[in-house]
Amino acid sequence: GENVEQHPSTLSVQEGDSAVIKCTYSDSASNYFPWYKQELGKRPQLIIDIRSNVGEKKDQRIAVTLNKTAKHFSLHITETQPEDSAVYFCAASGSYQLTFGKGTKLSVIP
Amino acid sequence: ETGVTQTPRHLVMGMTNKKSLKCEQHLGHNAMYWYKQSAKKPLELMFVYSLEERVENNSVPSRFSPECPNSSHLFLHLHTLQPEDSALYLCASSGSGTSGWKGAYNEQFFGPGTRLTVL
Repeated sequence: GENVEQHPSTLSVQEGDSAVIKCTYSDSASNYFPWYKQELGKRPQLIIDIRSNVGEKKDQRIAVTLNKTAKHFSLHITETQPEDSAVYFCAASGSYQLTFGKGTKLSVIP
Repeated sequence: ETGVTQTPRHLVMGMTNKKSLKCEQHLGHNAMYWYKQSAKKPLELMFVYSLEERVENNSVPSRFSPECPNSSHLFLHLHTLQPEDSALYLCASSGSGTSGWKGAYNEQFFGPGTRLTVL
């Protein structure tokens, strides 16, 4: 089955700096890669996703890049703000399911 | 109410109890999921249902029994649980999109979760 590795497990940045979270996956057939944000005590919510026919996607301060050859994808958050503090999960699609990484706890220090 | 709802939000049960978790989605989706979230395995898929049929079961112990009577409702029946089953149980749903029913290729919407404590 699919295996998704996510790094780092924790990340602290100063407000205004950029944050990068990286994931690798094992199944070359995977073609959908979403990122979810989970604030403390709340449900995971999709923040951005990318499909395998696209190399990069941006939405305001958030961007995702995908390298299918190397089987890795990354989340980039620019100009971080305190409200970006949360746990971020990457995922890759398998046959019938999403396989999630173990999460990255991002702390933005004011 | 819109979105994905779950009841109860909190549940404390003994190891000999029988209880059920309920999930309801109001999004017109045709796939529903149960996840277990704990410190050791942050988002662990338990069951996948599409069009009310179970299509995936990641070797979950038989003390967890899912039921999907229709495309809007999903239950997780619990019996003789162990303390290590204490976790947040999340329900999710997704639509078929352009990839057929395969909700894995489309956004999954999560419910608020049920915080389960097994004594």
